[in-house]
Amino acid sequence: QLVLTQSPSASASLGASVKLTCTLSSGHSSYAIAWHQQQPEKGPRYLMKLNSDGSHSKGDGIPDRFSGSSSGAERYLTISSLQSEDEADYYCQTWGTGMVFGGGTKLTVL
Amino acid sequence: EVQLVESGGGLVQPGGSLRLSCAASGFTFSSYWMHWVRQAPGKGLVWVSRINSDGSSTSYADSVKGRFTISRDNAKNTLYLQMNSLRAEDTAVYYCARDIDWGQGTLVTVSS
Repeated sequence: QLVLTQSPSASASLGASVKLTCTLSSGHSSYAIAWHQQQPEKGPRYLMKLNSDGSHSKGDGIPDRFSGSSSGAERYLTISSLQSEDEADYYCQTWGTGMVFGGGTKLTVL
Repeated sequence: EVQLVESGGGLVQPGGSLRLSCAASGFTFSSYWMHWVRQAPGKGLVWVSRINSDGSSTSYADSVKGRFTISRDNAKNTLYLQMNSLRAEDTAVYYCARDIDWGQGTLVTVSS
C-alpha cells in the first residue's frame, strides 16, 4: 500500500535551516512526490515536485530558500534562512489512484 | 495567472445534498486532470476524487464512493462535485486542485 509518512512536528530558529522528511512506503522508493505548504488559515500552496534522483522543479515564485533532495525512500524539503512566514504545515504528496498525502509536518519557527 | 475558485459550500443536514463548483482560468482547463481534496477541521489533506482531462475516467476515495460524483464541463472551464447522502464526517473545507495549483476552498458543514 502506498503510504507517505511525515513527522507531526518540527521546529527551528529564525534564520536557521530545517530539513523535513517524507518517507515512501516499502516498494515505492522510486516515486516522485510533491511538497505543499499551508500557512495558517490559508489554502495549500504547491512548492515543488521532487524526483527520486533528487531533481526538482519549483512552483512559480517559490524562493531559492526552498530546496528538495532524495535518498532511497526518503524525500526531503530543506528550508534555509527561516523566516516567520515559513511557519506552516508542510505536506508531501504522491500519485496513486489519486493524490496520496502524508499526514503533514507542523513547522514552528522559534 | 491561474485561478481556481470554488463555490457551493454551506450548511446541510445529514442525508442532504450539495453541489460544489470550481471555476478555472489562466490555463487550458481541458488538458488537465483535476482533483477534489478535503480538509476536516484541524486535520490534514485528504484526496476525495479525480477526473481525467476529457471526463471519461473518474476515481474516488473509498469514503465517498457511491455518494459523490465528480464531473466537468470543459466548455465552461468548470469542475463539479455532486455530494449526496452527506454525513457529519464529510464536514470539511473542499479544495479543487490541479497538481500544481489549488483553489481557496469552500466549507461544507453537515449538521442538524
